[in-house]
Amino acid sequence: AQSVTQPDIHITVSEGASLELRCNYSYGATPYLFWYVQSPGQGLQLLLKYFSGDTLVQGIKGFEAEFKRSQSSFNLRKPSVHWSDAAEYFCAVGLISGGYNKLIFGAGTRLAVHP
Amino acid sequence: ETGVTQSPTHLIKTRGQQVTLRCSSQSGHNTVSWYQQALGQGPQFIFQYYREEENGRGNFPPRFSGLQFPNYSSELNVNALELDDSALYLCASSLRGAEKLFFGSGTQLSVL
Repeated sequence: AQSVTQPDIHITVSEGASLELRCNYSYGATPYLFWYVQSPGQGLQLLLKYFSGDTLVQGIKGFEAEFKRSQSSFNLRKPSVHWSDAAEYFCAVGLISGGYNKLIFGAGTRLAVHP
Repeated sequence: ETGVTQSPTHLIKTRGQQVTLRCSSQSGHNTVSWYQQALGQGPQFIFQYYREEENGRGNFPPRFSGLQFPNYSSELNVNALELDDSALYLCASSLRGAEKLFFGSGTQLSVL
């Protein structure tokens, strides 16, 4: 069965420090992979996605993620974190077939940023 | 701003009652999906509608039902509410088969 694991429930970093959020997935074929961000009281905003091709993908707000098939991972990175990046981050696998699209989400990683 | 609007934003119900949540899709989107996000968890897929028919369903009981209207707006209905139904309910619209979903801000449902 398809699943997504985000090993870190809560991460705290200092403003200006680098960030890496981990994501591991279980999926039988080449996955569609996504990272979403959710601010308090808000819906989900797409940061970036991977379908095929270059394994390093760039997203909005200075985020990037690298797909590593051998490790079944899709980790999210940012070189320098800003206080406004404090939010909850969700990794997801997309099941897209025959007009049907469904996302399977991890449990999320809550990011806190110290000034 | 995704253009997906949900109403109401907050709702309090008691166990055993019924609730209807509403979603207005982004203009031009013909597919609507509903997700349940319990506290401290990631969203879970409830079901998807396309052309007013259910197009896929997650592991939710039949008391969770939905509708999609000709203008592509949608409703999520939950009967016989249970305490565990307390959650944020998210609606997402998209084009059929497209990989990108546009999420609304959600309806926070509390069941007492």
